[in-house]
Amino acid sequence: SQKIEQNSEALNIQEGKTATLTCNYTNYSPAYLQWYRQDPGRGPVFLLLIRENEKEKRKERLKVTFDTTLKQSLFHITASQPADSATYLCALEMAGANSKLTFGKGITLSVRP
Amino acid sequence: DTAVSQTPKYLVTQMGNDKSIKCEQNLGHDTMYWYKQDSKKFLKIMFSYNNKELIINETVPNRFSPKSPDKAHLNLHINSLELGDSAVYFCASSRPGRGSYEQYFGPGTRLTVT
Repeated sequence: SQKIEQNSEALNIQEGKTATLTCNYTNYSPAYLQWYRQDPGRGPVFLLLIRENEKEKRKERLKVTFDTTLKQSLFHITASQPADSATYLCALEMAGANSKLTFGKGITLSVRP
Repeated sequence: DTAVSQTPKYLVTQMGNDKSIKCEQNLGHDTMYWYKQDSKKFLKIMFSYNNKELIINETVPNRFSPKSPDKAHLNLHINSLELGDSAVYFCASSRPGRGSYEQYFGPGTRLTVT
């Protein structure tokens, strides 16, 4: 069966360190992968999109990688800050899927001062 | 200016009732969605409309009926509410077209069925 796994439910790190969040998938062949941030009581907010033919994408302190062989995406936040504390969701989209995103459960990141 | 808005923010109702949630976007997008996020935080797509035409209809009970009066609005009507319908419902919108585009989410409507 198809599955999206985000490696743990929670990640706690010290301010200034790099946070690395993992998204693994099985029995999917996504053409696109997106990462969203969700704060408590709010809707998800888009962060980054990466295509299957792209290895890496960066935006300010954020970096995402996409390895279709390992069926894995890594999401990095460098120089993390307490304001980065939130739940981060990965979402897969197949080619020609009419923009249908399938979301993982999310990882809750806590950055302590 | 709010990009994607939903009303109401909270909805508490009894089993068997019928209720509606409204969604509006002012981004000029052609595609709109309804998602359900359950207590385990899984966010699952329910429906998608492109320019008032239904394009995604997941396995959702037919008690749920989306309606799109125009491309800026997508409402969700739920008949005969059940306890299991309790969740947060999110509306979203995006550009249409080939490829993948970011989705803009509303603030959510927390539905509690008692």
